[in-house]
Amino acid sequence: EAEVAQSPRYKITEKSQAVAFWCDPISGHATLYWYRQILGQGPELLVQFQDESVVDDSQLPKDRFSAERLKGVDSTLKIQPAELGDSAMYLCASSRGQGSDTQYFGPGTRLTVL
Amino acid sequence: AQRVTQPEKLLSVFKGAPVELKCNYSYSGSPELFWYVQYSRQRLQLLLRHISRESIKGFTADLNKGETSFHLKKPFAQEEDSAMYYCALRGAFSGGYNKLIFGAGTRLAVHP
Repeated sequence: EAEVAQSPRYKITEKSQAVAFWCDPISGHATLYWYRQILGQGPELLVQFQDESVVDDSQLPKDRFSAERLKGVDSTLKIQPAELGDSAMYLCASSRGQGSDTQYFGPGTRLTVL
Repeated sequence: AQRVTQPEKLLSVFKGAPVELKCNYSYSGSPELFWYVQYSRQRLQLLLRHISRESIKGFTADLNKGETSFHLKKPFAQEEDSAMYYCALRGAFSGGYNKLIFGAGTRLAVHP
């Protein structure tokens, strides 16, 4: 059964450093989501792609976060510079379309900023 | 403001006891409501959605628009039900695109 892949699974970095996370959605899924989950909270949407286009990045801290999905397949989320408050689980999800389709989640990348 | 509230961080029950995980929402339109579950060392996955009106693993949830609630229920809890449960709302927000808003989650612990 196809699954969403993410790497790395864990990342430890020092504040002010740059970090990048990678996500490979299920083949054929046009919509890709990046969520941030702070300990003790539910996932919060950071950015949503429809194919290669960003359709919602209203919660993305654009001064330090960037996301791209150049060919409409895999995606990269970058943080530069990382801050202590960025420590969280970063989840990627994908769905066939944007409407009522089920979102399938990856295993996540746990980021710790020291 | 759109919001999903799960008032209990932890629900602890014994095997065979009934379970009810509470979820209340705030949304101005007609939302879709979901329950997601995360078992230990597994990824987040969809458990059920209100439009399906189905029972999954013995769990059911009814959307009560009057009380703006979508509580998850199971008559007899099993140890394998121990997991983190998230209630989520999907609605149309800025730009016309749908997105999911999650509650903070409730950890269900079923003891033998």
